[in-house]
Amino acid sequence: DAGVTQSPTHLIKTRGQQVTLRCSPKSGHDTVSWYQQALGQGPQFIFQYYEEEERQRGNFPDRFSGHQFPNYSSELNVNALLLGDSALYLCASSLLLVQETQYFGPGTRLLVL
Amino acid sequence: QQPVQSPQAVILREGEDAVINCSSSKALYSVHWYRQKHGEAPVFLMILLKGGEQKGHDKISASFNEKKQQSSLYLTASQLSYSGTYFCGTEILRGGATNKLIFGTGTLLAVQP
Repeated sequence: DAGVTQSPTHLIKTRGQQVTLRCSPKSGHDTVSWYQQALGQGPQFIFQYYEEEERQRGNFPDRFSGHQFPNYSSELNVNALLLGDSALYLCASSLLLVQETQYFGPGTRLLVL
Repeated sequence: QQPVQSPQAVILREGEDAVINCSSSKALYSVHWYRQKHGEAPVFLMILLKGGEQKGHDKISASFNEKKQQSSLYLTASQLSYSGTYFCGTEILRGGATNKLIFGTGTLLAVQP
């Protein structure tokens, strides 16, 4: 049973560029949440997708957008990258209507120069 | 709104016990405990639901005091593999569907031989 997978594992971009990160949820899961984790901090909620719709959103600017596909996989897009966007981006999958936790993928480490 | 964890850091010898606390200013539906090793994704340890019982497996257990909006993680007879940063993730409301997790400030645990 495959767990949550993310790609790429590492990424280096320059300020102003755009980036797309990808996530495949755990088999059987229908909900994908994205988190940003800065060095030394806890994960911060970006948004959550269910049935291809953004269901919840954290306190992040519109530069952060996402998408969920019919196969439940998801993408996170960040436009006009800033130095402060450098972080570990984590994808977590879950079942929306089940009292269970969220399972995290290995993350994508983004460095903005 | 971010839950506060205490202590911020703790150093143990193998075999010693530790308690990590997580305190929220908001009424909580559930508390999720994760351990994260450097450069890796958070790994799920256990979930405590409102109205639920104290949980535990192996030598790690946790409790949830709904009246005080506090949860504690108990590590007994610590092993080297217990080293890492521990985060509590809190869920404020559910309404029948999975909600975003708000993570605490983190507790760095180092177990020495």
